[in-house]
Amino acid sequence: AQKITQTQPGMFVQEKEAVTLDCTYDTSDPSYGLFWYKQPSSGEMIFLIYQGSYDQQNATEGRYSLNFQKARKSANLVISASQLGDSAMYFCAMRGPSGTYKYIFGTGTRLKVLA
Amino acid sequence: KAGVTQTPRYLIKTRGQQVTLSCSPISGHRSVSWYQQTPGQGLQFLFEYFSETQRNKGNFPGRFSGRQFSNSRSEMNVSTLELGDSALYLCASSLGRVQDNEKLFFGSGTQLSVL
Repeated sequence: AQKITQTQPGMFVQEKEAVTLDCTYDTSDPSYGLFWYKQPSSGEMIFLIYQGSYDQQNATEGRYSLNFQKARKSANLVISASQLGDSAMYFCAMRGPSGTYKYIFGTGTRLKVLA
Repeated sequence: KAGVTQTPRYLIKTRGQQVTLSCSPISGHRSVSWYQQTPGQGLQFLFEYFSETQRNKGNFPGRFSGRQFSNSRSEMNVSTLELGDSALYLCASSLGRVQDNEKLFFGSGTQLSVL
């Protein structure tokens, strides 16, 4: 069964520094996709970045990049030049079993950016 | 393009009552999914609708039900409310393709408190 593990309940980072949020996953599907979402205190989940299992390069979206290590089954999110507005919950997610339409989310990491 | 709209934003109910939550997806999106988010259990999949048909269902009791209308708007109903139903209920819309890179667009959620 698919599983997403985020082992960091909370993280602190100094403004303008980079931070890495960890995510490991488990799946038996040969083809899969991994997502990162940000949830500010307002509640809305905001899509940040996507990595496909067959993508040759790590995904990047502005200040967000994904450190994808397929053999280790890890998909860590790297936020460069942290900003105060980056303070939020961050969730790693993947599609459920092949053919289904549910997504599985990790327990999240609460990031606090310090001024 | 308007985002996903959920109403109401907050709800307070008492045990035994029933509640209906509403979700209007992004224009053109035919899939609507519902997730329950609690501090203890994280994000859990409730069900997904596509073109008025439920395609997937999570492991929730029959008190949780949903439907989708011809305009893709969706409603979720919880009957005989229990204290444990207190949660943030998130709705997500998408095109509905069964592809690894299909991303979800979330609303801000309905915060339900059961007293």
